[in-house]
Amino acid sequence: QVQLVQSGGEVKKPGASVKVSCKASGYTFNSYGVSWVRQAPGQGLEWMGWISGYTGKTNYTQKLQGRVTMTTDTSTSTAYMELRSLRSDDTAVYYCARHHDNSGYPFDYWGQGTLVTVSS
Amino acid sequence: DIQMTQSPSTLSASVGDRVTITCRASQNISSWLAWFQQKPGKAPKLLIYDVTNLESAVPSRFSGSGSGTEFTLTISSLQPDDFATYFCQQYNSYWTFGQGTKVEIK
Repeated sequence: QVQLVQSGGEVKKPGASVKVSCKASGYTFNSYGVSWVRQAPGQGLEWMGWISGYTGKTNYTQKLQGRVTMTTDTSTSTAYMELRSLRSDDTAVYYCARHHDNSGYPFDYWGQGTLVTVSS
Repeated sequence: DIQMTQSPSTLSASVGDRVTITCRASQNISSWLAWFQQKPGKAPKLLIYDVTNLESAVPSRFSGSGSGTEFTLTISSLQPDDFATYFCQQYNSYWTFGQGTKVEIK
């Protein structure tokens, strides 16, 4: 069965970086894309960007351009999301989600979420 | 960017009620719309895609309709397991979510 298993929660200080992993299983990793979505406490869902499992091409939301990098390791079927220059308003649960390897498809499987807390 | 606006933000209902949630897109998204259910502390779960198609194992009391810019999610007879927050998502141009509708017990 399809599973996306994310790394554990992190506590970071303002200005630091965080890297969250998302290990996929149960499907052919390079046939699908992975998006990253975050949810601040008590708030809605914010799409951050996506990476093609086939080409490694990325597309990031303009709001996070320059601070976020998404990568994959096809040898371990793992996607990564690194966010730099962390601020308190980056405190959120970060999710990875699978979709067909293009931008015209919904997210059909999600990771369990990783809580990133930014606090001095 | 395409903006998605859901209404209402909160909905109080009883078991057995018929519930309708609306989602409006800031521009035409054709039929590229999905609905998700999220329970506290859990990841969202895909319910409906392409406006009307039920994801596997989703109960038939859930249905979706609409096209273009206005869409609805209907729960025909609310069950105890349905108290949750619901989000719409457009995937016509990248992805955007509505702000969510919390369905709570009346």
